[in-house]
Amino acid sequence: AQKITQTQPGMFVQEKEAVTLDCTYDTSDPSYGLFWYKQPSSGEMIFLIYQGSYDQQNATEGRYSLNFQKARKSANLVISASQLGDSAMYFCAQGDSSNTGKLIFGQGTTLQVKP
Amino acid sequence: DTEVTQTPKHLVMGMTNKKSLKCEQHMGHRAMYWYKQKAKKPPELMFVYSYEKLSINESVPSRFSPECPNSSLLNLHLHALQPEDSALYLCASSHVRTDNSPLHFGNGTRLTVT
Repeated sequence: AQKITQTQPGMFVQEKEAVTLDCTYDTSDPSYGLFWYKQPSSGEMIFLIYQGSYDQQNATEGRYSLNFQKARKSANLVISASQLGDSAMYFCAQGDSSNTGKLIFGQGTTLQVKP
Repeated sequence: DTEVTQTPKHLVMGMTNKKSLKCEQHMGHRAMYWYKQKAKKPPELMFVYSYEKLSINESVPSRFSPECPNSSLLNLHLHALQPEDSALYLCASSHVRTDNSPLHFGNGTRLTVT
C-alpha cells in the first residue's frame, strides 16, 4: 500500500532563512506524482509544487523547490527566504497512475516563521 | 482567489437538520472530490466522481449523500449528522489522472453539528 511519511510534526524557522520539510514515500507504482500543499489557518489547501516520477530535474516554483531523490524515495520541500506568511501546515501527497483519483496525504508539518 | 468555490463557508446544524454543501469549478476538470478534515490532521477522502459518475465511496455513512449534477457542480447532502461529523469539508477537482495532475481545493466549509 502507498504511504507518505512526514516525520516533522512542527518546525521553526527564522524569517528570511531557508527551511526543508521532509517527506518520504513508499510505492511500487512506476508512474506517480508527488505534490506539496500549504494549508494556512484559514483552511484552504493551496497547491505549491509538483514532481513527476519520471522528471529528470527537481521541480521549482518561485521560492519553493523540491529535493527529489528517487532512489531514497524522498521528496523534500525547500522554502527559501522564509516569510511570515509561510507559517502554515504543509502536506506532502502522492497521486498514482491507477486512475482512481485518490491522493495519499502525509500527516503534515506545521511550520512557524519567527520574525 | 481559489478556482473552486464552496458554499457556505460556515454551517451550524442540529442533528435532525438536512443541509447541503455546494462546490463549483470551471476549470474543465472531470474529477471532483469530497474530503473531510479534522483539526491538525490530513484530509480524508470521502467520495470521488469521475466523469460525473461516483467512482469511489470510502465507506462513508449514508447520512452523507453526494451528488454530481454536471461536470462543474458537486453537492454533499447532509442528514441526521452526529457531533463527531463536525469538521472542515473540502471539495477539490482535477483532471482524471492524478499521477501528474494536482487537485485544486476550495476554501472548505467548516461544519459544526450541535
